[in-house]
Amino acid sequence: NAGVTQTPKFQVLKTGQSMTLQCAQDMNHEYMSWYRQDPGMGLRLIHYSVGAGITDQGEVPNGYNVSRSTTEDFPLRLLSAAPSQTSVYFCASFRAAETDTQYFGPGTRLTVL
Amino acid sequence: AQKITQTQPGMFVQEKEAVTLDCTYDTSDPSYGLFWYKQPSSGEMIFLIYQGSYDQQNATEGRYSLNFQKARKSANLVISASQLGDSAMYFCAMREVGSNSGYALNFGKGTSLLVTP
Repeated sequence: NAGVTQTPKFQVLKTGQSMTLQCAQDMNHEYMSWYRQDPGMGLRLIHYSVGAGITDQGEVPNGYNVSRSTTEDFPLRLLSAAPSQTSVYFCASFRAAETDTQYFGPGTRLTVL
Repeated sequence: AQKITQTQPGMFVQEKEAVTLDCTYDTSDPSYGLFWYKQPSSGEMIFLIYQGSYDQQNATEGRYSLNFQKARKSANLVISASQLGDSAMYFCAMREVGSNSGYALNFGKGTSLLVTP
């Protein structure tokens, strides 16, 4: 049971490049979400999914796309990276019947030059 | 409006002493959950403790306890017998059951705790 995994751990992009941050969980969790963490801030919700095929926007969705074709995977796509997207990105998941928990991945540190 | 407020950007405590980290929240949802996470310098988010809005007793997990005062909308984290390894950022977060964000968490800005010898 690997829990929530994220790849890559670190990434440097140039402005305008695109990339996908990968997130996977092997716990059969319905709920998955992406957060970003900026210095001096808590985590802010980017996008979330309540099940395969269902996604929706969070607090700071601009510049990001998501899809959920399987229960296990929830990739986050940066279409045209901007320096304002330099941040640490966390993926999280939990089961609907266990709303007293949330499992976080280890995070991806992204720098956009 | 900020849903979670942590008013202490930084705190110091001496080893073996107890420390209280403050958290107040704002919600009109009668059903919600409150979480505390620890983020050490390595960056991962470590779950510490959870309190449900209908729980009658304050949550405890080892050296961590949550001082839940519902009427005051506060959910302070108490760490007893502090250890050097407790030095980290601490985040309070809330999940509102009636929210339209897939039960995602709203986070405060965090409190940086430094435990000194």
